[in-house]
Amino acid sequence: AQSVAQPEDQVNVAEGNPLTVKCTYSVSGNPYLFWYVQYPNRGLQFLLKYITGDNLVKGSYGFEAEFNKSQTSFHLKKPSALVSDSALYFCAAGSFQKLVFGTGTRLLVSP
Amino acid sequence: GAVVSQHPSWVICKSGTSVKIECRSLDFQATTMFWYRQFPKQSLMLMATSNEGSKATYEQGVEKDKFLINHASLTLSTLTVTSAHPEDSSFYICSALGTGGAYNSPLHFGNGTRLTVT
Repeated sequence: AQSVAQPEDQVNVAEGNPLTVKCTYSVSGNPYLFWYVQYPNRGLQFLLKYITGDNLVKGSYGFEAEFNKSQTSFHLKKPSALVSDSALYFCAAGSFQKLVFGTGTRLLVSP
Repeated sequence: GAVVSQHPSWVICKSGTSVKIECRSLDFQATTMFWYRQFPKQSLMLMATSNEGSKATYEQGVEKDKFLINHASLTLSTLTVTSAHPEDSSFYICSALGTGGAYNSPLHFGNGTRLTVT
């Protein structure tokens, strides 16, 4: 069965510091990997995806993620956090027809 | 870009009544739409996959007679919560499968519907 794990319920970081939100996956075949962000009472917004190619993927709002096949990880990163980055982040994996979502990580960026 | 409109954004209904939630793809055709349910501080739970012109495919544990899904056109899917009860109160989100493209997500999400059953 396919699964996605986000081991941290919440990540706290000070504004201006780098941030990392962790994600590991277990899927069959070559994975399609995604990061989405959710603001309160809203749907999910796409941040970035990995399908194939370079392991470092750059996405929206200055976010990037690194695909590590040996560690089956796809951690989300940003060099300098903003207070406005505070939101709920979901990692997802699978096929276009059926994505499996992680449990989400709440990112809190303090001023 | 691809836009999915979900309506209403919030609804309050009395126990025993039915509520219909609409999910529309505004500028693309979506042969496949998905319905999710999200509990507080939890991830999205896929409820069902809706294919235009055919019956929806429900995930294990989801009552198909309670959560009626209709996908009558390439731009509209509806979820009807029948005989709603307080435990059905939740945040419901739809997504539509588009072509995506090389730099986008293939899934386009609505903004969700907050259902409160009193």
